[in-house]
Amino acid sequence: DAGVTQSPTHLIKTRGQQVTLRCSPKSGHDTVSWYQQALGQGPQFIFQYYEEEERQRGNFPDRFSGHQFPNYSSELNVNALLLGDSALYLCASRRRTGAYEQYFGPGTRLTVT
Amino acid sequence: QQPVQSPQAVILREGEDAVINCSSSKALYSVHWYRQKHGEAPVFLMILLKGGEQMRHEKISASFNEKKQQSSLYLTASQLSYSGTYFCGTGAGGTSYGKLTFGQGTILTVHP
Repeated sequence: DAGVTQSPTHLIKTRGQQVTLRCSPKSGHDTVSWYQQALGQGPQFIFQYYEEEERQRGNFPDRFSGHQFPNYSSELNVNALLLGDSALYLCASRRRTGAYEQYFGPGTRLTVT
Repeated sequence: QQPVQSPQAVILREGEDAVINCSSSKALYSVHWYRQKHGEAPVFLMILLKGGEQMRHEKISASFNEKKQQSSLYLTASQLSYSGTYFCGTGAGGTSYGKLTFGQGTILTVHP
């Protein structure tokens, strides 16, 4: 049973560039959430997708956008990168109904220089 | 609002017990506990739901006091593998269901 997978593992970008991160949910899961985790901090909720639409959003600017595909996989896009966007980006998946646990993927470490 | 975890750090000898607390100023629907080792993703430990029972996973158990909006994680007879940072994530339910707000973490170190 495959867990949550994310790609790439690491990424280095320059300030002002754009980046796309990818996530495949755990088998049987249809809801994907994205979190940003700065060094030494707890994860911060960015947004959640199910049925291919953004359903909830945390306190992040419009530079952060996402997408969910019919196979439930998801992308996180960040435009006009800032140095402060450097963080571990985590994807979590769960079943929308009947279960409450969220499982995290290994994350993508983004470094903005 | 971010839940507050205490203590911030704890050091144990193998076999000792520990309690990690998580307090919120908002009404809670659920509390989720995770353990994260350095450089790895958070690993799900257990979830406590409003009106639900105390949960247990091997030698780790947790409680949820809805009136006080608090949860506690109990680690019994700690093992070296218990070392890591423990996070509680709180869920408000309703239209916010699925959005977890995490505490700042508790660093647990277990020595032989």
